[in-house]
Amino acid sequence: KQEVTQIPAALSVPEGENLVLNCSFTDSAIYNLQWFRQDPGKGLTSLLLIQSSQREQTSGRLNASLDKSSGRSTLYIAASQPGDSATYLCAAPEAAGNKLTFGGGTRVLVKP
Amino acid sequence: NAGVTQTPKFQVLKTGQSMTLQCAQDMNHEYMSWYRQDPGMGLRLIHYSVGAGITDQGEVPNGYNVSRSTTEDFPLRLLSAAPSQTSVYFCASSLQGSGNTIYFGEGSWLTVV
Repeated sequence: KQEVTQIPAALSVPEGENLVLNCSFTDSAIYNLQWFRQDPGKGLTSLLLIQSSQREQTSGRLNASLDKSSGRSTLYIAASQPGDSATYLCAAPEAAGNKLTFGGGTRVLVKP
Repeated sequence: NAGVTQTPKFQVLKTGQSMTLQCAQDMNHEYMSWYRQDPGMGLRLIHYSVGAGITDQGEVPNGYNVSRSTTEDFPLRLLSAAPSQTSVYFCASSLQGSGNTIYFGEGSWLTVV
């Protein structure tokens, strides 16, 4: 069974600092890994989807890497802004491909 | 562009009552799913569907029923509400399974008293 862990559960950084968010998974035979953002009282918004054949994906200030051998993915957010404050979750499917397992999320606060 | 629409947004139920959470998507997605989100437990999959007429259980299916009669709609039924079902419920969809970007609804806050 796929297990997904995100540490730390929360972090606070000053505006302008780069953010590094970690995601660990137990089954390295994953199809893909997806990063989401969740604002308070809202649903999840997909940020990046990395397929198993890829090592990284980039979108604007966001860059996500995937290392299947070590069971890790990292989301980098460059030059953080107060608007980046949110909870960030990663998710990986079970081996069958249709059941997503989510990490517990990292709650980020970017201080002006 | 509506995306994934959930109703109602808020609901209070008495123990033993039944109700249906509605979910509709207008993106012609084959894959739809329901999650519940609880503090300390994260997001857990309740049921999912890979196409009209096909449903399967997720991690926490007990106490919930689903059906998928059309591509667009995937309602979640609580058969006899219990306080343990107090949670935030999210519906999600994607083109074909978890290999594609997944789109979430805004959530339904359910309290069972």
